[in-house]
Amino acid sequence: EVQLVDSGGGLVQPGGSLRLSCAASGFIVSGTYMNWVRQAPGKGLEWVSVMYSAGTTSYADAVKGRFTISRDNSKNTVDLHMNSLRAGDTAVYYCARGGTHGGNFDLWGRGTQVTVSS
Amino acid sequence: QSVLTQPPSVSGAPGQSVTLSCTGSSSNLGAGFDVHWYQHLPGTPPKLLIYLNNNRPSGVPDRFSASKSGASASLAITGLQPEDEGDYYCQSYDSSLSNWVFGGGTKLTVL
Repeated sequence: EVQLVDSGGGLVQPGGSLRLSCAASGFIVSGTYMNWVRQAPGKGLEWVSVMYSAGTTSYADAVKGRFTISRDNSKNTVDLHMNSLRAGDTAVYYCARGGTHGGNFDLWGRGTQVTVSS
Repeated sequence: QSVLTQPPSVSGAPGQSVTLSCTGSSSNLGAGFDVHWYQHLPGTPPKLLIYLNNNRPSGVPDRFSASKSGASASLAITGLQPEDEGDYYCQSYDSSLSNWVFGGGTKLTVL
């Protein structure tokens, strides 16, 4: 079955770190571009980061310098390393696969909750 | 404020039709970048509803259709059903931000 399972969320204090993981099955993560998208409470969807098949990465300005996306081809996973977390990073984080028809996200994980609070 | 502007809410009775709008600018939709639409129902992850302006993925009913003209796009839903109730987002690429961007979302209520 083609699916994404995202995990690793939890409660963390401001300034803390967390690592989210996205495990893919039914396709190869290195063959497409993999993304993280988040939704803060009461807010809309916000694109966070991408790793392209070539290994290049990009980040939203709101997380640049604090978040790092990585890929483990042997495990077929994509991780999001989050440092210097702020209250504004509180959200449900979704792993999303880049669509073959370009520029969209055609497969999503169920999401993992990240709460930054003291 | 989102780069792509969507009305916060829209409503319709079962069986009726509604149209959701998405307004961009010269750095995204107006620059020719494609628009995609997502359906986000309560308790489920977002689902790709329309890709590349007006294409439905396999399994999406033909009650859903979309179009794009210049810096604007729209999603039409005909024959509204109670299970259509949820949030709908447009999405594109913005050359000024060098990022993918989403609209703020429209909450569809089926009365």
